[in-house]
Amino acid sequence: DSGVTQTPKHLITATGQRVTLRCSPRSGDLSVYWYQQSLDQGLQFLIQYYNGEERAKGNILERFSAQQFPDLHSELNLSSLELGDSALYFCASSVPPAYGYTFGSGTRLTVV
Amino acid sequence: QKEVEQDPGPLSVPEGAIVSLNCTYSNSAFQYFMWYRQYSRKGPELLMYTYSSGNKEDGRFTAQVDKSSKYISLFIRDSQPSDSATYLCAMSPRGTGNQFYFGTGTSLTVIP
Repeated sequence: DSGVTQTPKHLITATGQRVTLRCSPRSGDLSVYWYQQSLDQGLQFLIQYYNGEERAKGNILERFSAQQFPDLHSELNLSSLELGDSALYFCASSVPPAYGYTFGSGTRLTVV
Repeated sequence: QKEVEQDPGPLSVPEGAIVSLNCTYSNSAFQYFMWYRQYSRKGPELLMYTYSSGNKEDGRFTAQVDKSSKYISLFIRDSQPSDSATYLCAMSPRGTGNQFYFGTGTSLTVIP
């Protein structure tokens, strides 16, 4: 167990729907990162939050949004889902200046 | 052109072999380099973290960075079947607390 908790582990939904993925970082970690992993693109950075505030944005679609709450857990909201959104979504956390991220086990999203 | 290039493999070696995994990159600003191991259906776990050029050793693992060639390597000595996984390289200009750019991963199988 890495200490980063992601729920749900699996999600199957239809095109056009909206889903929410949840992440609880390791105790004490202030930064939360969201990544999307697909077979052909590898791990793509979506967005980073630090202590409740958005710190950096990557290749995140406008249909996607995220937030980090006062208790430091984070949610990634995906709306108007398309088949191409099917992927593994990982959350990671870190406490600078510690080295590297700690990843959760991911949420596997399947859009049908 | 992707910022980080990694041969996806698959790579298959006999137990006990020395494995060499490599990544190339185009952004000369990258200074922080990581290697992650990802088992099937799991989140990536950090193996090695290096800063700037040079070598770093940890048990059977050695990470090398050649910034002049924009080339990084991970060597695994005395490979074991438990090393069978996908290996991801990642790099960043500014270290933890910032976005890291990942390779697509190399799939490794160590045959008993």
